[in-house]
Amino acid sequence: AQSVAQPEDQVNVAEGNPLTVKCTYSVSGNPYLFWYVQYPNRGLQFLLKYITGDNLVKGSYGFEAEFNKSQTSFHLKKPSALVSDSALYFCAVRKAAGNKLTFGGGTRVLVKP
Amino acid sequence: ETGVTQTPRHLVMGMTNKKSLKCEQHLGHNAMYWYKQSAKKPLELMFVYSLEERVENNSVPSRFSPECPNSSHLFLHLHTLQPEDSALYLCASSQGGLGVTDTQYFGPGTRLTVL
Repeated sequence: AQSVAQPEDQVNVAEGNPLTVKCTYSVSGNPYLFWYVQYPNRGLQFLLKYITGDNLVKGSYGFEAEFNKSQTSFHLKKPSALVSDSALYFCAVRKAAGNKLTFGGGTRVLVKP
Repeated sequence: ETGVTQTPRHLVMGMTNKKSLKCEQHLGHNAMYWYKQSAKKPLELMFVYSLEERVENNSVPSRFSPECPNSSHLFLHLHTLQPEDSALYLCASSQGGLGVTDTQYFGPGTRLTVL
């Protein structure tokens, strides 16, 4: 079985401050990890993924995520948040080929001016 | 946006109606997916098609019936739905079937309300 936990329902941050959205996973074997963002009344947009290699993955819109195997985490980060980053963020994990993508419950990010 | 379109964007239907949701992908992908997104619940995978064959059906009630006539189109036929089926229905597609590095790209969703 595989699972993803996003421990924070909502994260509030001031514009210009660093943004972190937490994600921990549980899977047997090597994890393949993804971050998606969902803006109001829109579908999910792919941000970045970790498959193998460098633990720091860079993605779209200035976001990056750090894979930490010992802590089974894949936190999403942005050095300087924008008001337009306010959205719902989903972490997801896949275990192996043919296995389904399991999503976390989502974290709502609110960036205040 | 992402090359995956869904119609209609909004749908209101009664419990005795029959309607269909349509998804079209313009990305040349081989796999397509239906997800259900309800308030305060994680995304639920409903169906997966790879090369037009259904490869996964996650215990979805028979009142939801998928159809994949070709690799670019996916339908979700709805009949005798219940109010608890009200949700955002998301379609996604991906390149290589179910490979480990496969990335799913989502459409904007259909907001369904069952009265």
